[in-house]
Amino acid sequence: GAVVSQHPSWVICKSGTSVKIECRSLDFQATTMFWYRQFPKQSLMLMATSNEGSKATYEQGVEKDKFLINHASLTLSTLTVTSAHPEDSSFYICSARALGSGRDKNIQYFGAGTRLSVL
Amino acid sequence: RKEVEQDPGPFNVPEGATVAFNCTYSNSASQSFFWYRQDCRKEPKLLMSVYSSGNEDGRFTAQLNRASQYISLLIRDSKLSDSATYLCVVNAAGANNLFFGTGTRLTVIP
Repeated sequence: GAVVSQHPSWVICKSGTSVKIECRSLDFQATTMFWYRQFPKQSLMLMATSNEGSKATYEQGVEKDKFLINHASLTLSTLTVTSAHPEDSSFYICSARALGSGRDKNIQYFGAGTRLSVL
Repeated sequence: RKEVEQDPGPFNVPEGATVAFNCTYSNSASQSFFWYRQDCRKEPKLLMSVYSSGNEDGRFTAQLNRASQYISLLIRDSKLSDSATYLCVVNAAGANNLFFGTGTRLTVIP
């Protein structure tokens, strides 16, 4: 399957600092990438849809000024958690949608995730 | 009502057993359906797509019932390595994003 690289895999930071997470599609171009957050024993929750060359679309309840998304190229999207606080500690996962067709067109491939711990 | 609902389990089955997971979705206009597998503290990985005609991949069989808005996954001859959380995933009708069920936790016991 397609490969999506996410970096870093683990971040520990002090409250108030900003953290940048990168998501790259390694062997395909992705006009659309997605950012999810997953708290322990809960399902993935979509935070935002990242569109190459345009503004991200945020889900209801997600602060766009706190979670900055940039999708400057067809292979790279970044999520910056600004002024992180302990309640932002979570597992952040990106995914990319490959340009399939037919019934496979909505398959998403996931990065390995970033575990953020804010002290 | 949630977009996707699944029995969270846990399901604890012996090696070699057959186990079935079920999932329902609320939006009748949904077009794409998947089963993903997620190991503890790891990212979800695509297990298989679910087609209207049903599909089989080795020990895994997926079925879709559009009339009942119901998806199933059958695992035959369970292996220890099948232990994971299985996520039922449905696309948002008319959009690019996916909706995930809360997952069904499976533990295969020696």
